[in-house]
Amino acid sequence: GEDVEQSLFLSVREGDSSVINCTYTDSSSTYLYWYKQEPGAGLQLLTYIFSNMDMKQDQRLTVLLNKKDKHLSLRIADTQTGDSAIYFCAESMGAGSYQLTFGKGTKLSVIP
Amino acid sequence: GAVVSQHPSWVICKSGTSVKIECRSLDFQATTMFWYRQFPKQSLMLMATSNEGSKATYEQGVEKDKFLINHASLTLSTLTVTSAHPEDSSFYICSARDARDLRYQETQYFGPGTRLLVL
Repeated sequence: GEDVEQSLFLSVREGDSSVINCTYTDSSSTYLYWYKQEPGAGLQLLTYIFSNMDMKQDQRLTVLLNKKDKHLSLRIADTQTGDSAIYFCAESMGAGSYQLTFGKGTKLSVIP
Repeated sequence: GAVVSQHPSWVICKSGTSVKIECRSLDFQATTMFWYRQFPKQSLMLMATSNEGSKATYEQGVEKDKFLINHASLTLSTLTVTSAHPEDSSFYICSARDARDLRYQETQYFGPGTRLLVL
């Protein structure tokens, strides 16, 4: 079955890099996503990666995918206080399956 | 970028009443919308998939008679929580797919959520 796991909390100092990890179980996942949720708000898509890619970089964000180990990570360089939020990893099967399976989210706290 | 709105953003109601939540795609047409429920410190749980002009597809364990979904137009889906009870208190989030989006990444655009408190 589908299952997405994340650690629940991460605390970093402002200016340091943050690395949020995610593991998934379904090897047929086609797309993997990272969403950001600020308090009381909906989800904002940060980035996504196709399953045949190993890495994707977008400004301060770097996504690494290890398909063999079913491990996904999100690195935020030069973490700022505005990055404090809950980060959700999600997977979809693609090919017309629009459903997303989310992890429980990692709460990132940035210490000034 | 694509914008999805929800109304109301929060609602407090008495037990036994019905509450309607609207989800609108503001600058695109959405043939498919999704309704999620999020409990505090929990992940989003998909409740149902709403397709324009047809009946919604509910996930296992979601009562279709309690959570009525209507997707009457390409820009609007509604979720009605009927005879609400305190255990229905939650954060309800909708998302929508752009009908023109043929990209493989099949991105969903999320609304800001509606917080429901049933007293």
